[in-house]
Amino acid sequence: QVQLMQSGAEVKKPGSSVKVSCKASGGTFSTYAISWVRQAPGQGLEWLGGIIPVFGTANYAQKVRDGVTITADASTSTVYMELSSLRSEDTAIYYCARDKLEYSLSSFFDFWGQGTLVTVSS
Amino acid sequence: ETQLTQSPSTLSASVGDSVTITCRASQSVGDYLAWYQQKPGKAPKLLIYRSSTLETGVPSRFSGSGSGTEFTLTISSLQPDDLATYYCQQYKSRTFGQGTKVEI
Repeated sequence: QVQLMQSGAEVKKPGSSVKVSCKASGGTFSTYAISWVRQAPGQGLEWLGGIIPVFGTANYAQKVRDGVTITADASTSTVYMELSSLRSEDTAIYYCARDKLEYSLSSFFDFWGQGTLVTVSS
Repeated sequence: ETQLTQSPSTLSASVGDSVTITCRASQSVGDYLAWYQQKPGKAPKLLIYRSSTLETGVPSRFSGSGSGTEFTLTISSLQPDDLATYYCQQYKSRTFGQGTKVEI
């Protein structure tokens, strides 16, 4: 059974950066895309971008602003999402999620992390 | 970007009722549509993909249909455990609907 374990909650000042991790276990890591999905308080879901670790290049949503960087470390089966120049509007729960289809950044998500709350506040 | 519009935004029903949620796409997505269930404080859970394929382990009271721009999720006999918000997602370009909250 695939499990995605995310790093803990963060509180950050506006203008700073945050790096959230997502460690995968229990399945093949490198050939399945891991994406990041954001959920602002009381709001819906927004796909930010994803990466297929074996290829190493991330793909981002068109609407996602600059300052979102997704990377993967195959040696530790971990995917990272870094947000820079944080604003209050970035306050949200950030989920990592795995694509069900191998080698695809255009499918749906069958396994999800538990979510990481990032709070941006002065 | 393909927009997804769900209706209704909130749905109140009783145990045993059959309920239907609609998801409309601003342009055709073929059958590249999935449905998720999100309970309060939890991550979303995949229910249906490719418009009508039930994910393993999902109760058969959930069903999906549609293609192109109009899709539906039906819960045939609502159970207390179905209290949740439901999202559709098109995975041609990965956008989500705004969600439908189901109240029992």
